[in-house]
Amino acid sequence: DIVMTQSPFSLPVTPGEPASISCRSSQSLLHRNGKCFFAWYLQKSGQSPQVLIYLGFNRASGVPDRFSGSVSGTDFTLKISRVEAEDVGVYYCMQGLQIPYTFGQGTKLEIK
Amino acid sequence: EVQLVESGGGLVQPGGSLRLSCAASGFTFSTYWMHWVRQVPGKGLVWVSRINEDGTTTDYADSVKGRFTISRDNAKNTLYLQMNSLRAEDSAVYYCGRDLSGASDFWGQGTLVTVSS
Repeated sequence: DIVMTQSPFSLPVTPGEPASISCRSSQSLLHRNGKCFFAWYLQKSGQSPQVLIYLGFNRASGVPDRFSGSVSGTDFTLKISRVEAEDVGVYYCMQGLQIPYTFGQGTKLEIK
Repeated sequence: EVQLVESGGGLVQPGGSLRLSCAASGFTFSTYWMHWVRQVPGKGLVWVSRINEDGTTTDYADSVKGRFTISRDNAKNTLYLQMNSLRAEDSAVYYCGRDLSGASDFWGQGTLVTVSS
């Protein structure tokens, strides 16, 4: 199985400041069609997960542009340019290239 | 508006069975792959199964293979997960999700399955 390793486990952030979450996959997530089957999700307390980024760096519909995703080989980064109070929750990375799909262990973003 | 509504969860004894349903609306259900993902409350997300548009291709996590069966009825816009030989470790909130290039762009609210004697 592809292992997804996230860091940090916990991320306290001051509102208005930037934040960054990292994820590393144990193997390439690049399909032979050239697409990268990687996604970022946010799960707010008591809610279902919501997709933020898919195919490595594509922002999902309705996601604020302060969220961005980048890819460098097997390293993935989610950046929030200016954190807002509504961004609190647990962030998960996920690979959708190989069965079984696998998730990172989660990063809990909290407001300082 | 896209909506996914899960149902069918509940309390079941070890070795028992449950069938989860996911009613879809607001989109052309028959043109999307669909997924089941589960989550023990307070823990992380775990992918369970997926099915293609017409139900001819299915995949499972090793932990449920041979015990769970994913299926769909496109005429009823409904996704199913038949769960047999349930174990305590299957206890979780089960979510259905619509596929978006390997991710899921819409999720239901989840249905809680508790396996306990």
